[in-house]
Amino acid sequence: GIQVEQSPPDLILQEGANSTLRCNFSDSVNNLQWFHQNPWGQLINLFYIPSGTKQNGRLSATTVATERYSLLYISSSQTTDSGVYFCAAANNAGNMLTFGGGTRLMVKP
Amino acid sequence: NAGVTQTPKFQVLKTGQSMTLQCAQDMNHEYMSWYRQDPGMGLRLIHYSVGAGITDQGEVPNGYNVSRSTTEDFPLRLLSAAPSQTSVYFCASSYMDSPLHFGNGTRLTVT
Repeated sequence: GIQVEQSPPDLILQEGANSTLRCNFSDSVNNLQWFHQNPWGQLINLFYIPSGTKQNGRLSATTVATERYSLLYISSSQTTDSGVYFCAAANNAGNMLTFGGGTRLMVKP
Repeated sequence: NAGVTQTPKFQVLKTGQSMTLQCAQDMNHEYMSWYRQDPGMGLRLIHYSVGAGITDQGEVPNGYNVSRSTTEDFPLRLLSAAPSQTSVYFCASSYMDSPLHFGNGTRLTVT
């Protein structure tokens, strides 16, 4: 099956800083999603982005499917951005996603 | 819309006991799935369903059964709980090839 790797595994930022999280996948994909797991354990869908670029407020994501990677950009980070960010991908019909190991982000005030 | 609702939030079982984790969604999503999350790891797919009456295995199906008699409900059954099944379980739903929506999880401990 498809392999999904995320980097860096851990990231500490000062409030207001920008960051880029990376997701590499081992095969072509037709489904790529980013999620945020907050400190209470809730998983929130950030982007459905099998290709191209999307923006939502301070967050944006870009997937370059031909080169098998996706990037999540966080600008002007806030303490509420803390948590774990997961990338998940699939190369089949449907939503049978394979998750990466996550990037644990801590934003300090 | 309540979204995806999981019950219970917490459960403690003894080895060998059985139980059912409930999952319901009110968004008329055809796709539903169960994941488990172990400490320091990403989520792994247990079982999934692409519609009522249709289920299939994911990456880690052993020890778990599912059924999908209605569009709304997708229960996960542990037939004989083992300590290795201690985990946080997440149910999710979506339209096909659309953003996946997760429930708040069930924290299960098997002693």
